[in-house]
Amino acid sequence: DQQVKQNSPSLSVQEGRISILNCDYTNSMFDYFLWYKKYPAEGPTFLISISSIKDKNEDGRFTVFLNKSAKHLSLHIVPSQPGDSAVYFCAASASNSGYALNFGKGTSLLVTP
Amino acid sequence: NAGVMQNPRHLVRRRGQEARLRCSPMKGHSHVYWYRQLPEEGLKFMVYLQKENIIDESGMPKERFSAEFPKEGPSILRIQQVVRGDSAAYFCASSPTGTDYEQYFGPGTRLTVT
Repeated sequence: DQQVKQNSPSLSVQEGRISILNCDYTNSMFDYFLWYKKYPAEGPTFLISISSIKDKNEDGRFTVFLNKSAKHLSLHIVPSQPGDSAVYFCAASASNSGYALNFGKGTSLLVTP
Repeated sequence: NAGVMQNPRHLVRRRGQEARLRCSPMKGHSHVYWYRQLPEEGLKFMVYLQKENIIDESGMPKERFSAEFPKEGPSILRIQQVVRGDSAAYFCASSPTGTDYEQYFGPGTRLTVT
């Protein structure tokens, strides 16, 4: 059973515009959420995270929003750059389950010049 | 500043052979996680280890798979009698302590079973 869902397999955005990647989860025990970026033939790279006690976390061009009541989070990238083209994975963890990460299937972002 | 190291990067095994995947965590990290990514899927948790201890192996298949993280040396994920369905990318991640949500991933080992 997929507890973390990324329903958009791909997204194409023009350079300079905003990219919005979405993620839904089903397990109400999740209390920490992360976004990872992955290039082909490489491991995932940590991008940004948010605790369930917050609803927003910002780091430079990247902002993550958390809506606990809707069990939904999103990653905003603004402005988008061609180097942002990669697969983005949403992950969630529950502190009572040993901190194992539960990943979505990923969204492939393409930023066009 | 070496990150998480995994070797080999690519491994080809015939059905029935054994596969050994190695992971050296980042310096100062004593917690290791193994994940598997099947084609077109997200990463799936397999096992969480500390030095000389398996903390959580709830994601490990019951048979043929084992993992260890000895006092000295890398963590090893061992797959005995491999089958075609074991073909996947296997990623190792490490964290400084067991209370760190943020895990740092290695480049992965791509296992192909022929």
